[in-house]
Amino acid sequence: GQNIDQPTEMTATEGAIVQINCTYQTSGFNGLFWYQQHAGEAPTFLSYNVLDGLEEKGRFSSFLSRSKGYSYLLLKELQMKDSASYLCAIMDSNYQLIWGAGTKLIIKP
Amino acid sequence: GAVVSQHPSRVICKSGTSVKIECRSLDFQATTMFWYRQFPKQSLMLMATSNEGSKATYEQGVEKDKFLINHASLTLSTLTVTSAHPEDSSFYICSATNGQANEQYFGPGTRLTVT
Repeated sequence: GQNIDQPTEMTATEGAIVQINCTYQTSGFNGLFWYQQHAGEAPTFLSYNVLDGLEEKGRFSSFLSRSKGYSYLLLKELQMKDSASYLCAIMDSNYQLIWGAGTKLIIKP
Repeated sequence: GAVVSQHPSRVICKSGTSVKIECRSLDFQATTMFWYRQFPKQSLMLMATSNEGSKATYEQGVEKDKFLINHASLTLSTLTVTSAHPEDSSFYICSATNGQANEQYFGPGTRLTVT
């Protein structure tokens, strides 16, 4: 079966660092995506990992370990606007995205 | 680049009527478009995959006669919700890919409310 697990909700403080984990079991693997979704809006692309390791893009970094079926999204220097849901998605062997349920991130001043 | 638009952004219709939602790729040719539905506080659920010029492939549990998808050109796909009911009220989002397998570009979504 296909399964993607993320924490339902996380809380962090403005200016701090937060790590959102994602574990997965899917039929085939053609990459892992992280998307940000603000309430009432469509998802926006954050990162794509297909090889093991860390991809850094500004305040956001994403890590992948294919052997462990594990990824994390690291957000640094948190800002209030980072309050959103963060969706982990796997592209399977048919090049379709399988979505996690998302992690709601709450940033407090 | 890689902009996808949807129209309308919001629509309210009466139960029993049909609603058409358009998805356009503005600056690239979309070989494949995807239609998703998202209920409040839930993740995206893939409804169907459509390739230009061919019939859409529907996910299990999605009624193809109720959710009509047409992908007549490389820049336009439409989703028609026929005989809409209140339980069809949802956020409908399309995405498009230009054949590069590593990214889908999302439209802004359409909020459908059926009264």
